[in-house]
Amino acid sequence: GAVVSQHPSWVICKSGTSVKIECRSLDFQATTMFWYRQFPKQSLMLMATSNEGSKATYEQGVEKDKFLINHASLTLSTLTVTSAHPEDSSFYICSARAAGLYGTDTQYFGPGTRLTVL
Amino acid sequence: QKEVEQNSGPLSVPEGAIASLNCTYSDRVSQSFFWYRQYSGKSPELIMSIYSNGDKEDGRFTAQLNKASQYVSLLIRDSQPSDSATYLCAVYDYKLSFGAGTTVTVRA
Repeated sequence: GAVVSQHPSWVICKSGTSVKIECRSLDFQATTMFWYRQFPKQSLMLMATSNEGSKATYEQGVEKDKFLINHASLTLSTLTVTSAHPEDSSFYICSARAAGLYGTDTQYFGPGTRLTVL
Repeated sequence: QKEVEQNSGPLSVPEGAIASLNCTYSDRVSQSFFWYRQYSGKSPELIMSIYSNGDKEDGRFTAQLNKASQYVSLLIRDSQPSDSATYLCAVYDYKLSFGAGTTVTVRA
């Protein structure tokens, strides 16, 4: 159980175009989803927290107008990189929080999307 | 600012040995702790979660938590080449805070 999928797994686009990445929780409902970015040989950097039906909360330094997040249902969140530039090339990973026992929560990660902007 | 510190790597161990990974955290109110494994080019995979002081064992993995010392560790027994990966310690308080990771290499 607790499977999270992402689509696409990789994408190459031209500079200035927009790219949409989908994140789905396949076998559970996720009231909260998270979007991370990871550059080579670095740890995960949280970009934003997405709650179903409300606006995303962005981390400091992340441009909300450039990285549009929509969490329209309990199983789907999307990240749109608008006007992508080569410096946006990275590994984008989503995770979904599943309610656990004793009030604890566990995050399960999607397989990631590798974005290359030419 | 929540901080999660992991012992610097890389850590190289021979096959069959025990790999020991350490993690300290700064936020005393943290209640949930996780170890993730990340293979190169892949996303993190949950290995262990631990919420109470003491040890928790799952197969060849043992997580240890000491909230008084703000310390959590992961032991990998009988290390296999397939255990070669980066291990991320994560502390949860509404959101996960990750350590920088420790890269483990198991020598055949």
